Amino acid sequence: QEELQESGPGLVKPSETLSLTCTVSGGSIGIYYWSWIRQPPGKGLEWIGYISYRGATKYNPSLSSRVSISLDTPKNQFSLEMTSVTAADTAVYYCAKDALGGHDPWGQGTLVIVSS
Amino acid sequence: QSVLTQPPSVSGSPGQRVTISCSGSGSDIGAGFDVHWYQQLPGTAPKLLIYGTTRRPSDVPDRFSGSKSGTSASLTITGLQAEDEADYYCQSYDSGLSVLFGGGTKLTVL
Repeated sequence: QEELQESGPGLVKPSETLSLTCTVSGGSIGIYYWSWIRQPPGKGLEWIGYISYRGATKYNPSLSSRVSISLDTPKNQFSLEMTSVTAADTAVYYCAKDALGGHDPWGQGTLVIVSS
Repeated sequence: QSVLTQPPSVSGSPGQRVTISCSGSGSDIGAGFDVHWYQQLPGTAPKLLIYGTTRRPSDVPDRFSGSKSGTSASLTITGLQAEDEADYYCQSYDSGLSVLFGGGTKLTVL
């Protein structure tokens, strides 16, 4: 069973770019789909997007103009970039594997605060 | 506003049976896409509870079960236990293969 770990800055200034990386251990990123999901404090889950093992991407239409997900197969990592962030982007960001049989496993999540 | 609609909260006493609904449309659940359910304990990442609408991972007790009818799905918990107190989310896909989450349901064990 793979383990996923998110990493990146915990504080981002408004209007700047949020960048996070998910490192996958115990399995290959060269199969399945890999998702980013976020959860604002006290609120529900919001799917951001996913990337396939071949590099094909799909984004939440509400975020697609600001989001990019990329794959680094040699490093067994995938990354999220979100531009022009505002306070509304403050959330716990999770990475997860999607084998089309549900998202499993998930990373532990990383809190990103957007504030000056 | 979530595309999949769940009740904000449900409650039950220990030993009772509770059901959490997840209402979609003909473009997602009703189109035949699988429904998955997640359990999120306080301060932790969500955990896959039910996949493929009715299947349970090997480490999930058989007290948890899933079903689907038409454009809705349900998660049923029998023999409710105090440790089941958590937030529960349903998830499916739309015709464009975008991932859809329900708004989440808080289960309180009285």
